[in-house]
Amino acid sequence: DTTVKQNPRYKLARVGKPVNLICSQTMNHDTMYWYQKKPNQAPKLLLFYYDKILNREADTFEKFQSSRPNNSFCSLYIGSAGLEYSAMYLCASSSGLGGYAEQFFGPGTRLTVL
Amino acid sequence: GDSVTQTEGQVALSEEDFLTIHCNYSASGYPALFWYVQYPGEGPQFLFRASRDKEKGSSRGFEATYDKGTTSFHLRKASVQESDSAVYYCALGDPSGSWQLIFGSGTQLTVMP
Repeated sequence: DTTVKQNPRYKLARVGKPVNLICSQTMNHDTMYWYQKKPNQAPKLLLFYYDKILNREADTFEKFQSSRPNNSFCSLYIGSAGLEYSAMYLCASSSGLGGYAEQFFGPGTRLTVL
Repeated sequence: GDSVTQTEGQVALSEEDFLTIHCNYSASGYPALFWYVQYPGEGPQFLFRASRDKEKGSSRGFEATYDKGTTSFHLRKASVQESDSAVYYCALGDPSGSWQLIFGSGTQLTVMP
């Protein structure tokens, strides 16, 4: 099974409220990623976990948090949503180096902040 | 920094037409180059990869050749089908080992019957 699952598929949030998105994979991949995708833009890497080590991009360091309680699950947490957070959030996983390894993507969570 | 440029935002073809989607990259060294395809309602799917000059990647009738001289990895297919309608992303694997996949902005392919 090469499936990456994301919940929920659609999320409506109010400005200033927290948001928690969930991702799971059963491929025993050591690396899990979160991307943000806005219309007509490239998917942008927000952060990734290699095993238990979290790596966050410098420009999104303070905006997003994440946890990985076990190998299969990974969450993306927004403490206080702003209008600019409205986007598709894609979770992916891979075995090995993300710059060379195939990444498996989930279907995404569409977040709308009002 | 490293970057990927896809010049066509949208491509419209008829079935059995020849497809070319252009991809150019900017990076030092020998990055891995990828094509991903995203169908409606799904996440991007790996199509194929190439990691050295003149290497050809291919899958499902699509192919691209790594060209370090022109820093290109153009996607081609000889005869498209309506089922090929999707968004195609060119991506670059960061050669510095930071584990980052850098995507182009994508090309929406629409194939009419």
